Amino acid sequence: GENVEQHPSTLSVQEGDSAVIKCTYSDSASNYFPWYKQELGKRPQLIIDIRSNVGEKKDQRIAVTLNKTAKHFSLHITETQPEDSAVYFCAAPFNYQLIWGAGTKLIIKP
Amino acid sequence: DAGVTQSPTHLIKTRGQQVTLRCSPKSGHDTVSWYQQALGQGPQFIFQYYEEEERQRGNFPDRFSGHQFPNYSSELNVNALLLGDSALYLCASSLATLDVGQFFGPGTRLTVL
Repeated sequence: GENVEQHPSTLSVQEGDSAVIKCTYSDSASNYFPWYKQELGKRPQLIIDIRSNVGEKKDQRIAVTLNKTAKHFSLHITETQPEDSAVYFCAAPFNYQLIWGAGTKLIIKP
Repeated sequence: DAGVTQSPTHLIKTRGQQVTLRCSPKSGHDTVSWYQQALGQGPQFIFQYYEEEERQRGNFPDRFSGHQFPNYSSELNVNALLLGDSALYLCASSLATLDVGQFFGPGTRLTVL
């Protein structure tokens, strides 16, 4: 089955710097990769996703890259701001469900 | 365009009781997935409903059951509640193909005393 590994578990960056979170997956048939942001006490929110027919997708300060050969995808956040502090989850589909990474706690230092 | 809604927001039960949680999917979505999220953990997949049937199930005991209605709304039932069932229960709606994303409701916070 699908296995999704996410690193790092905690990431602390200075406000204004960039943050990168990486995920690897095992099922080569996976073709859709969403990223979710979950603030404390709130629901996970879909922030960006990418399909296997593209290598990169951007939305303002957020970008996701996909390397299908290496089976990994990454979330890039540039010019980090205090409101970026949250737990971020990657996921990949398998057998009608999303398999989730363990999450990355992103801390933005002032 | 209404998003995903869940009810109730909070619930307090005692061990051994039964609980029913409800979810209405986003307009246009036909698939509902349920997750359990303990404090400090990621969402754990319980099961998914599509066309009024359970299409996929995670590693949860039979005490957890569900239902999907013709209007695509769904219920999660938990019998014989245990202290360990205390968690945030999230409902996510999507299309059957999953490749346009799952959208989450605000969750139901269940506390078992």
